Amino acid sequence: KNQVEQSPQSLIILEGKNCTLQCNYTVSPFSNLRWYKQDTGRGPVSLTIMTFSENTKSNGRYTATLDADTKQSSLHITASQLSDSASYICVVSDYNAGNMLTFGGGTRLMVKP
Amino acid sequence: DSGVTQTPKHLITATGQRVTLRCSPRSGDLSVYWYQQSLDQGLQFLIQYYNGEERAKGNILERFSAQQFPDLHSELNLSSLELGDSALYFCASSVSSGTSGSNEQFFGPGTRLTVL
Repeated sequence: KNQVEQSPQSLIILEGKNCTLQCNYTVSPFSNLRWYKQDTGRGPVSLTIMTFSENTKSNGRYTATLDADTKQSSLHITASQLSDSASYICVVSDYNAGNMLTFGGGTRLMVKP
Repeated sequence: DSGVTQTPKHLITATGQRVTLRCSPRSGDLSVYWYQQSLDQGLQFLIQYYNGEERAKGNILERFSAQQFPDLHSELNLSSLELGDSALYFCASSVSSGTSGSNEQFFGPGTRLTVL
């Protein structure tokens, strides 16, 4: 069964600090991995999408890395802002899953002043 | 604003009742996806439609059904509601039907369903 595990479940950091969120997956064969940001009570918003051949991708202060060999991804947030407080969801798709994506449980990040 | 609209924003109903959630995809998107997110839970894929046809089915209960109309809007029908059906229901849309990196899903603001 395809699984996507994220850690930590929750994280509190001070404004201006950096943090890294982790995602491990068992999806195989791998097609692409996405990171979404979800503000409380709102729909997820895509941050990055990475395919098998990409090992890093940036979107402003967000940088995602991918190691397809170890089936791990990380999302690094630089110089955190209060508006970064949200849940970050790792989503993986594979060639054999038809049109379904496998969602991780998310990491809930709180940035404090 | 993702361009995906969902109505209503909030819905409060009683156990045993039936409700309909509505979703309008982004202009030009042919695929519509429905997801359920219970309190403090991850997103669970329910069902996908592509250009009016059911394309994929996830963990959707038999009490739930959906359809996509010729104008591409979609409705999710939930019947014989139970307390455990209380959740946020999200609709997403994309241009095509696959899960390739180029087929990004755009999520709507969600409908919060409360079953009392």
